[in-house]
Amino acid sequence: EDQVTQSPEALRLQEGESSSLNCSYTVSGLRGLFWYRQDPGKGPEFLFTLYSAGEEKEKERLKATLTKKESFLHITAPKPEDSATYLCAATNRDDKIIFGKGTRLHILP
Amino acid sequence: NAGVTQTPKFQVLKTGQSMTLQCAQDMNHNSMYWYRQDPGMGLRLIYYSASEGTTDKGEVPNGYNVSRLNKREFSLRLESAAPSQTSVYFCASSEALYTEAFFGQGTRLTVV
Repeated sequence: EDQVTQSPEALRLQEGESSSLNCSYTVSGLRGLFWYRQDPGKGPEFLFTLYSAGEEKEKERLKATLTKKESFLHITAPKPEDSATYLCAATNRDDKIIFGKGTRLHILP
Repeated sequence: NAGVTQTPKFQVLKTGQSMTLQCAQDMNHNSMYWYRQDPGMGLRLIYYSASEGTTDKGEVPNGYNVSRLNKREFSLRLESAAPSQTSVYFCASSEALYTEAFFGQGTRLTVV
C-alpha cells in the first residue's frame, strides 16, 4: 500500500537554529513529491514539486531535496514567521495523491 | 486573482440535515478535489474530478456526493449529515492530477 510518513510530528526550534523535516514515501511509480505549508485556519499553500531523485529546489530559507525513498525540507536560520505545519504529498503512477500527516514547526523568538 | 473560493466558511448543521458546499476556481484548472482534515488524520480525499464531466471516489466517499457543474465549479453535498462528518473541508484544484494543487480557505462544518 502506498504511504507517506512525515517525521517528526512536531518540532520546536530557536530562531536561527537550522534543521530538517523528513518525508519518507513508499509509492508505486512516483510522479511527483510535493511540499505544502499550512497556517492555522487556512488551506495548504504550495511550496515545491520534486520529480526525480537528486532534484533540489529552494525558496528563501527553505530547500527541498529528493532521494528514491525520502524527501527533506531543510530550513536554514528560521524565523518565527516560518512557524506552520508542513505537509508532504506524493502522486503515484495511477495519479493517486497521498498526503502525510504533517510536521508542526514552531520557531521560538 | 481569487484562486479557489469556497462557501460557506462556517456552518453548523443538525444531524440529518443536508447541505451543499460550493467551490469555484478561476485558474482554468482541469482537476478539482474535495478533502476533509481532522486532527491526527491529516488530509483525506473524499472525491475528485480529473476533468470536466468526470468524478471519482477518493479515500472516504461514504455519505457524500459531488457534482462537477462546469470547469470552474465543483460542489460537495451531504445528504443526511452525521456527527462523524464534523470536520474542516478543503476544495483544491490543479492543472492535472499529478501536478501541484491550490487550496481554498476551507469550510469548518459542525454537525450536532
